[in-house]
Amino acid sequence: AQSVTQLDSQVPVFEEAPVELRCNYSSSVSVYLFWYVQYPNQGLQLLLKYLSGSTLVKGINGFEAEFNKSQTSFHLRKPSVHISDTAEYFCAVSDLTDSWGKLQFGAGTQVVVTP
Amino acid sequence: GAVVSQHPSWVICKSGTSVKIECRSLDFQATTMFWYRQFPKQSLMLMATSNEGSKATYEQGVEKDKFLINHASLTLSTLTVTSAHPEDSSFYICSARDLWSSYNEQFFGPGTRLTVL
Repeated sequence: AQSVTQLDSQVPVFEEAPVELRCNYSSSVSVYLFWYVQYPNQGLQLLLKYLSGSTLVKGINGFEAEFNKSQTSFHLRKPSVHISDTAEYFCAVSDLTDSWGKLQFGAGTQVVVTP
Repeated sequence: GAVVSQHPSWVICKSGTSVKIECRSLDFQATTMFWYRQFPKQSLMLMATSNEGSKATYEQGVEKDKFLINHASLTLSTLTVTSAHPEDSSFYICSARDLWSSYNEQFFGPGTRLTVL
């Protein structure tokens, strides 16, 4: 079984400043890793995913994440945030051996961008 | 591409009535759909995994007789909340896995806000 820990429940950040959202996972098997964003009263939108290969993954809206196998981390970063980045962000993992493709979500990190 | 719709987007019902929520994959085939429940300011809780043509698999603690799931085709899954009570009020989100996807990406619907009076 896997578990996902998002270390920060809320991250306040000023507009145009960088932001990093931390995600650590535990799993006894290899996993796929995902970051999703959720705007108020909406479903989830995929920001980026790590399947294999290069450990630096670039996603939509200027976000990127780095997979660190030794530290079992998959931190999300953006060098300069906009007001529109205010949202809830979820890290998720999926066991490669799970034929259903179930996702295990972290608790989420609320990003609040202020001018 | 990869659009998932949910209907209705919100619903208010009286206690004791049943409510059906539809989840459709609009431009791809989904052998597997998932139903989640999300409480305010919390993460998504997987309720059940729905497979086309077979019975849904429910997570521990989820009452299958209360949350009826039907996955009648490769593009449609429904969740029926039977005899709804105020504690069933929540945000319900479905997701669908592309039949041809080689990895476990799920595409999410916009969610349905259920309020039981």
